[in-house]
Amino acid sequence: DSGVTQTPKHLITATGQRVTLRCSPRSGDLSVYWYQQSLDQGLQFLIQYYNGEERAKGNILERFSAQQFPDLHSELNLSSLELGDSALYFCASSVAGRGEQFFGPGTRLTVL
Amino acid sequence: TQLLEQSPQFLSIQEGENLTVYCNSSSVFSSLQWYRQEPGEGPVLLVTVVTGGEVKKLKRLTFQFGDARKDSSLHITAAQPGDTGLYLCTTDDSGNTPLVFGKGTRLSVIA
Repeated sequence: DSGVTQTPKHLITATGQRVTLRCSPRSGDLSVYWYQQSLDQGLQFLIQYYNGEERAKGNILERFSAQQFPDLHSELNLSSLELGDSALYFCASSVAGRGEQFFGPGTRLTVL
Repeated sequence: TQLLEQSPQFLSIQEGENLTVYCNSSSVFSSLQWYRQEPGEGPVLLVTVVTGGEVKKLKRLTFQFGDARKDSSLHITAAQPGDTGLYLCTTDDSGNTPLVFGKGTRLSVIA
């Protein structure tokens, strides 16, 4: 158990819908990272927050957005969902803005 | 954005065999990390290497950072079915650039 929690574990929805994925970092960690993992693309970095502020941005689509709240939990919002958005979404946290990351168990999103 | 190439992409071996997987880039890293991801779970950090030529051992796993700090290898001795998983290398050499993971080596150890 990494100490990072993600909900829900599984999510099935339809194209065009909007979903919210939630992440709680390890106690004391200030950074939260979001990743998308699909079979053909590997683990793709989406976005990082550090103490509530956006720190780094990767290959995140405009239809996706995220935020980190004052209690340091984070949410990833995915809208206008497409079939290709079906993937595993991981959240990770770290103490500082870089360094060892602890990953949550992931949310498996299926878009039908 | 630095690109990390991992090889081989897939590897299936018998229990007890030795193997080596590689992580290469054209860029120089100040540090590199190896993670292992088991099916249905998130990646777990195995090791961080920071010095060119550095060798770190974790039980039957030996990690080496290249002298020029552009590449790294992971050697597993006497592989066991519990070593099965996806091995990923990553670096976040600059806090301002997107974090990069290689696509990984998917290892299957057959009993």
